[in-house]
Amino acid sequence: KAGVTQTPRYLIKTRGQQVTLSCSPISGHRSVSWYQQTPGQGLQFLFEYFSETQRNKGNFPGRFSGRQFSNSRSEMNVSTLELGDSALYLCASSLAAATNEKLFFGSGTQLSVL
Amino acid sequence: SQQGEEDPQALSIQEGENATMNCSYKTSINNLQWYRQNSGRGLVHLILIRSNEREKHSGRLRVTLDTSKKSSSLLITASRAADTASYFCATGTVRSGGYQKVTFGTGTKLQVIP
Repeated sequence: KAGVTQTPRYLIKTRGQQVTLSCSPISGHRSVSWYQQTPGQGLQFLFEYFSETQRNKGNFPGRFSGRQFSNSRSEMNVSTLELGDSALYLCASSLAAATNEKLFFGSGTQLSVL
Repeated sequence: SQQGEEDPQALSIQEGENATMNCSYKTSINNLQWYRQNSGRGLVHLILIRSNEREKHSGRLRVTLDTSKKSSSLLITASRAADTASYFCATGTVRSGGYQKVTFGTGTKLQVIP
């Protein structure tokens, strides 16, 4: 079974631009969560999608958005990039985010904003 | 926001020694999970302990959970150079819709010196 796939692996953007990151979960997994990881803040929860619906959202500005498609693949978008958005963005999938389920992570997308 | 705080932030030991990492959290949980991250990569699930369990073993890993103190510890016995990584605790809490939200701590960076 293929793991969680995130593309692209690296991105370099400039301030003010927008960016779209992609995540393909493990086959059969319907829940996809996104996290932002920075050296100073650790892993911060962005949002979680299940069956194309956002069920949970973290404390991030509206510039951060996401969506999930019918095949469970998910994208997240960051508009009007700021220097502080430079981070490793991690996607994780699980069957349904049910109680006591573990998360399976992709390798992440390293975003650098110049 | 972070649910878990890990201690120490960094740990350096000799190969063959045991490594102990601690995690404290703030609110009631359904489970506590430990993950491992090699530099700049995705996280890998190590072990999950439910709120009604006190201790769990998996290979060289031993996890304890004290819900009265809202704390957990991860013990890696007979450490190897390949154990060098960052270790994160994560709390699983159930939302009103019945699904789980997983919130990560700040991590402990472990270095095992050959």
